[in-house]
This record gives sequence, C-alpha cells and structure tokens, in this order.
Amino acid sequence: AQSVTQLGSHVSVSEGALVLLRCNYSSSVPPYLFWYVQYPNQGLQLLLKYTSAATLVKGINGFEAEFKKSETSFHLTKPSAHMSDAAEYFCAVSLNQAGTALIFGKGTTLSVSS
Amino acid sequence: EPEVTQTPSHQVTQMGQEVILRCVPISNHLYFYWYRQILGQKVEFLVSFYNNEISEKSEIFDDQFSVERPDGSNFTLKIRSTKLEDSAMYFCASRLLAGGHEQFFGPGTRLTVL
Repeated sequence: AQSVTQLGSHVSVSEGALVLLRCNYSSSVPPYLFWYVQYPNQGLQLLLKYTSAATLVKGINGFEAEFKKSETSFHLTKPSAHMSDAAEYFCAVSLNQAGTALIFGKGTTLSVSS
Repeated sequence: EPEVTQTPSHQVTQMGQEVILRCVPISNHLYFYWYRQILGQKVEFLVSFYNNEISEKSEIFDDQFSVERPDGSNFTLKIRSTKLEDSAMYFCASRLLAGGHEQFFGPGTRLTVL
C-alpha cells in the first residue's frame, strides 16, 4: 500500500528565504508523485508532478521538486519565498496506472512573513 | 481555462437527511473522483468513476454513499442518511484518460451535519 508523510505541519519563512517542504513516500511500485497547493477557500491546484521522466521537476510559481528514489523523497523547494506563497501544500502519490486514486499527505501550512 | 465546478459551496443538513453534492467536471475528461477532507485532517479518496461505473472505491465509501453521472455534464455524490462524522469538505476532481495523470480539482463543498 502507498502512503505519504509530510514532515512539519507548519513551516514559517521570511520573504526572500528558501522554502523547503518535505515529503517522503512509500510505494511498492514506481509511483507518480504530485505537489498540490490550496489557497484559502479554494480547491487544490497542481504545482508539479513526477511521472518517471526527469527526476528534477519544475512547476509553476518558481517551485521545483526532486525525486530521490534512494531516499523515497520528493521535497518541494523554492529559492525565494514570496508573500503570495502562503498556503497549504499537499504531497500526493498514485500508482503508475490510469485512473488510480491519489493518496495525500496531511499537508504543510506555509507562512511567509515580511 | 476550463475548470471543475461544484455546487453548493456550503450545505448544512440535519443528521439522517439525504444530501446530494453536485460537480461539473471538465467537459472532455473521462475519469471522475470524489475526495473528502475532514477539518484538520488529510484529503482522503472516496471513489473514482469511469465509463459510467465505479472503478475504485475506498473503505470510507460504504453503502451510505453513491455516485451518479445523470447526464453528460454532471457528476453527483449522494449521502443517503448523513451522520455527524460526514461533516467535511468534499472535493470533486476529473482527469483526461490519457496524456498525463493530473487530476483537476473543484473548489469543494463544505458539508455541515447538525
């Protein structure tokens, strides 16, 4: 069975600082991995995805993530935080098959201070 | 840009009542999903639907739940007899059959059971 662990339910950074949100996964088969962002009172928006191509994945809004099989990790980073990055971030895994459900982590709330 | 829409945005109901949550997936998408998020907890998969039948469901999706695609555009989730613990945010999602595994999420319906 697959699972996702997000370390840190709340991360606080200053504007301009590095953002690092951690995600570790467990999967018995090669997974597809995703990061979604949720702004207040909105749905989930895809930031980026890993689908077995390049291990370093670039997404929207300057975010990127690196798939590390040896560490079973898919951490999300952004070199310089912006106030508008404040939101909840979810890491998710699915099997490498069509139509399969997403299994989400518990989410990390990112706060950005000026 | 096409998007998934959900109605209502907030539903309040009495315990034991039936509720129907409505979703309009993106028009050319073929896989449809329902997820829920209890306040303060992770997003959980409920059910996936393809070709007019359930393709996958979780343990949460018991006999009290049902899904339907009554016409060419709507996708509904029915809870037959609501319980207090059904209070949650319910998200609908859709995806293309091919061309990637991104699921597009709606803004959610907040269900409050009193």
